[in-house]
Amino acid sequence: DAGVIQSPRHEVTEMGQEVTLRCKPISGHDYLFWYRQTMMRGLELLIYFNNNVPIDDSGMPEDRFSAKMPNASFSTLKIQPSEPRDSAVYFCASTRGWTYNEQFFGPGTRLTVL
Amino acid sequence: KQEVTQIPAALSVPEGENLVLNCSFTDSAIYNLQWFRQDPGKGLTSLLLIQSSQREQTSGRLNASLDKSSGRSTLYIAASQPGDSATYLCAAADRNQFYFGTGTSLTVIP
Repeated sequence: DAGVIQSPRHEVTEMGQEVTLRCKPISGHDYLFWYRQTMMRGLELLIYFNNNVPIDDSGMPEDRFSAKMPNASFSTLKIQPSEPRDSAVYFCASTRGWTYNEQFFGPGTRLTVL
Repeated sequence: KQEVTQIPAALSVPEGENLVLNCSFTDSAIYNLQWFRQDPGKGLTSLLLIQSSQREQTSGRLNASLDKSSGRSTLYIAASQPGDSATYLCAAADRNQFYFGTGTSLTVIP
């Protein structure tokens, strides 16, 4: 298996622009997670899906952030409009089941908003 | 709300030394605890997962233990090597969320 795939790996954009991050989870995994990592706040869970349905989005910082999972093999995290404080590394992770199996992380997308 | 703490934030040891990394959590009602490794500029790599009913898990030179009653988990690394240098994070899962510690940055000096 190729693991969790994220694109793009790096994104540089200007304030006010729309940013879309993409994730392909491991085949057969029914949970998908979006995280954000910064030096100041560490790793934060933004939202997670179970069987393509958003379960908990309490970590999404503002209405500027939205996430979708149209099918079992694809998810997007969108920021519109982007702001400099959104600069961070965004990780996608997936797992099979909640209790017994490990989470597997993608390589991350490093977002810089100028 | 669950809080996960990792102390120390950074650790430097000479090659060959055995070492212990600590992870504390405030709510013992966890489903599992997972240890990860993160290399600079990379994603997280899973090392070990301990179920709430288990006391420890082993993989090669790594051994992780879990004591729910005291709210602690430890990651033991035997015979450390320079390649072990990385940041190590723990994450506790309850029924609703995964809670990550801020990590311990380990440097193994040749």
